[in-house]
Amino acid sequence: SAVISQKPSRDICQRGTSLTIQCQVDSQVTMMFWYRQQPGQSLTLIATANQGSEATYESGFVIDKFPISRPNLTFSTLTVSNMSPEDSSIYLCSVGGENTEAFFGQGTRLTVV
Amino acid sequence: QQPVQSPQAVILREGEDAVINCSSSKALYSVHWYRQKHGEAPVFLMILLKGGEQKGHDKISASFNEKKQQSSLYLTASQLSYSGTYFCGTEITSGTYKYIFGTGTRLKVLA
Repeated sequence: SAVISQKPSRDICQRGTSLTIQCQVDSQVTMMFWYRQQPGQSLTLIATANQGSEATYESGFVIDKFPISRPNLTFSTLTVSNMSPEDSSIYLCSVGGENTEAFFGQGTRLTVV
Repeated sequence: QQPVQSPQAVILREGEDAVINCSSSKALYSVHWYRQKHGEAPVFLMILLKGGEQKGHDKISASFNEKKQQSSLYLTASQLSYSGTYFCGTEITSGTYKYIFGTGTRLKVLA
């Protein structure tokens, strides 16, 4: 199993600013993922955070808007840049592997005003 | 590519049964099921790895029909604690490995 500490749990930000979300895992993991969850919606994969290389982004998400760092096998950050109200959402980090369950951080509830 | 779940929402009385379906347009490598309560992270229920596999614990079970690219989650004699949103998930192993979730099913159990 894996325990993930995600910070901050919530924030209210001004439009045009940036917020960095951190996820710390209690063990080394190969695969780490970042998701966005709009109210009442499913989880949408933003990107896969790769240790030592650039993240792999899904269609509709770009590195300039959502830069991701993965300096080691236990830590990753997601930055939401130049925020607008449309970025208001819950952001979740997750770890998992082939044929194993996924574990999640508690999520970051972001409100952009 | 996102698996589609049906129904989108269901309301039950305690003790009633429900079935949630997950269908994919692409081959399913595996199927995972999660439950998410409001304001919380998803919680793992079970994983099915093989076509035809069935699993269950307590009164929640699931089946996986690999050929039909479908999975179903069965909740029997539902309890108030079953309320939440249920998601199926699947691993995509072609290209970069990733993990995606179905559209979700909101389930509410009434006393």
